[in-house]
Amino acid sequence: AQSVTQLDSQVPVFEEAPVELRCNYSSSVSVYLFWYVQYPNQGLQLLLKYLSGSTLVKGINGFEAEFNKSQTSFHLRKPSVHISDTAEYFCAVSKVQPDAGGTSYGKLTFGQGTILTVHP
Amino acid sequence: DADVTQTPRNRITKTGKRIMLECSQTKGHDRMYWYRQDPGLGLRLIYYSFDVKDINKGEISDGYSVSRQAQAKFSLSLESAIPNQTALYFCATSDCGQGLDYEQYFGPGTRLTVT
Repeated sequence: AQSVTQLDSQVPVFEEAPVELRCNYSSSVSVYLFWYVQYPNQGLQLLLKYLSGSTLVKGINGFEAEFNKSQTSFHLRKPSVHISDTAEYFCAVSKVQPDAGGTSYGKLTFGQGTILTVHP
Repeated sequence: DADVTQTPRNRITKTGKRIMLECSQTKGHDRMYWYRQDPGLGLRLIYYSFDVKDINKGEISDGYSVSRQAQAKFSLSLESAIPNQTALYFCATSDCGQGLDYEQYFGPGTRLTVT
């Protein structure tokens, strides 16, 4: 079975500072990786995903993440945060079916979430 | 209009009551999922369905049941609610098949309180 660990439950940061939210995973098979964001009182929205190709992926709102296979990590970064980035962020993985041309099993396993609070 | 809708958005119920949470989608996706969110635990999968005739248990299905009435509708039932089922419940949908984006689209959530 796969698991996802988000290393920080809360990250406070000042506006315009850089931020990194850390995510490590474990899996016996290949996985696809995702970052979702949940703004207060809302559902989850996809920030970015890694399926294949370049290990540096760019998402919405200026966020990017780097897939590191050797360290089984998928850390999320933003060079300069805004007050509006205050939200909870979830890392998630989906197992890839072996010998199925890259088809995913579809189910997501989520990390525990990291609450990012941006202070003025 | 939202692609994934959930009703009700908020519900308070008493221990022992039966309750149904409903989810509808207009995205035309075959796959639908129910998750619950608890503080500090992230989202955990309760049940998932890959088509109308395919329903599967997730990691925390005890105390829950589901019904896939149509491609667009997926309901979650608590047969006899208990206080530790107090949580935020999300429905999600996704497409399937090789080469697709695998993004899951989430509804706005149902906040359930069991007293």
